[in-house]
Amino acid sequence: AQSVTQLGSHVSVSEGALVLLRCNYSSSVPPYLFWYVQYPNQGLQLLLKYTTGATLVKGINGFEAEFKKSETSFHLTKPSAHMSDAAEYFCAVRDQTGANNLFFGTGTRLTVIP
Amino acid sequence: DAGVIQSPRHEVTEMGQEVTLRCKPISGHDYLFWYRQTMMRGLELLIYFNNNVPIDDSGMPEDRFSAKMPNASFSTLKIQPSEPRDSAVYFCASSLFGGSSGANVLTFGAGSRLTVL
Repeated sequence: AQSVTQLGSHVSVSEGALVLLRCNYSSSVPPYLFWYVQYPNQGLQLLLKYTTGATLVKGINGFEAEFKKSETSFHLTKPSAHMSDAAEYFCAVRDQTGANNLFFGTGTRLTVIP
Repeated sequence: DAGVIQSPRHEVTEMGQEVTLRCKPISGHDYLFWYRQTMMRGLELLIYFNNNVPIDDSGMPEDRFSAKMPNASFSTLKIQPSEPRDSAVYFCASSLFGGSSGANVLTFGAGSRLTVL
C-alpha cells in the first residue's frame, strides 16, 4: 500500500530564508506524488505534482520538489520564504491499485517570521 | 468554472440532530471524494464515488454517516444522529480520472465546518 510521511508537523523560517518541507513515500510501484497547500479557512490547492519524467518539478508560487527514488523522498523547497507562504502543506501519493484516490500525509504547518 | 461548491460553510447544531452537507463538483469530473479534517486525525477519506457510484466507503466512521450522489452534479453527506465528536471540517473534492499514464488532480471545495454541541 502507498503512504507518505511528513517529517515535522511545524516548521518556522524567517522571511527570505530557505523553505524545506520533508516528505518520504512508501510505494511498491513508481509513485505519483503531490504537494497541496491549505491556507486558513480554505480548501487544499495543488502546488505541484510528479508523475514521470523530470525529477525536479516546479509548481506555483516559486515552490519546487525533487523526486529522489534512492531516498524515497519528495521534499518541497522554496529559495526565499514570503509571509504569504504561511500555511499548511500536505504531501500525497496516488493510490495505484486502480482507484483514483490520494493518500495524504499529516501535514506540516509553515510559519514565516518577519 | 466556479470550482467545487460546498454548503453550508458553517453549521452549528445540537447533539442528536440530523446534519446534511452538500457538494457540487466541477462539471465533467467523474470522481467525487468526501474528506474529514480534524486536529487529532488530520485529513481522512470518508468515501468516494466514480460516475455517481460509491466505490470505497471504508472510511465512513459508522452507520450514522451516509453519502449519496444522485447525479453527476450533486452529492450529500448526512450524519444522523450527530454527536460532538463529529465536529470537524468536511471537504468535498472532485477529479477527472488521469488514466494509467496520467495523474488525477483533486480540486477541493472550501469545506463545511461542523460544530455539534
